[in-house]
Amino acid sequence: EIVLTQSPATLSLSPGERATLSCRASQSVSRYLAWYQQKPGQAPRVLIYDASNRATGIPARFSGSGSGTDFTLTISSLEPEDFAVYYCQQRSNWPLTFGGGTEVEI
Amino acid sequence: QVQLVESGGGLVKPGGSLRLSCAVSGLSFSDTYMSWIRQAPGKGLEWVSYINKGSSQRIYADSVNGRFTISRDNAKNSLYLQMNSLRVEDTAVYYCARARGAGLGGYFDIWGQGALVTVSS
Repeated sequence: EIVLTQSPATLSLSPGERATLSCRASQSVSRYLAWYQQKPGQAPRVLIYDASNRATGIPARFSGSGSGTDFTLTISSLEPEDFAVYYCQQRSNWPLTFGGGTEVEI
Repeated sequence: QVQLVESGGGLVKPGGSLRLSCAVSGLSFSDTYMSWIRQAPGKGLEWVSYINKGSSQRIYADSVNGRFTISRDNAKNSLYLQMNSLRVEDTAVYYCARARGAGLGGYFDIWGQGALVTVSS
């Protein structure tokens, strides 16, 4: 099973600041990595798929990079609605796995 | 408007069974790959199971393999998860989700609102 390790667990920032979230895989997942945002009481929403492709309707302030084992989600300038938990997910191998999440808090 | 609506959640005793349903509308369900994903209270996301368009490929997480069965009825635009021999650790919100992307598994671009399953004596 591919283990995804997200860091940091919590990121304390202010609106307007830049957020950099990391996801490290225990073995190469090529570019088969997605990022999700989840707010309390809501289902997750896909932000980025295949490492760097923004999903439909996702603002340009969200960007993804990386390949192999190291990936980054960047939020260029935090908006109030961006404070949430973010998960990465790989689809390179069965079983599909998620990272433990990074909470972006004010 | 695309909608995935789960139903069938509830309280069940350890060792019991439950069947979740996911009604899909607004898209061509028979052309859609689907998965179930769960989230224990206050915890992260865990992928549970995947089914391809024609039901010929069904994949399970080790934690549910042999106890859960995923199925679909393309004529009814519905996805199912039969859960048997339930354990306390199966307590979670269960989401159905559309899987996209060529190749293995997919990423999940459309999610239902979730159904809460509580396993407790």
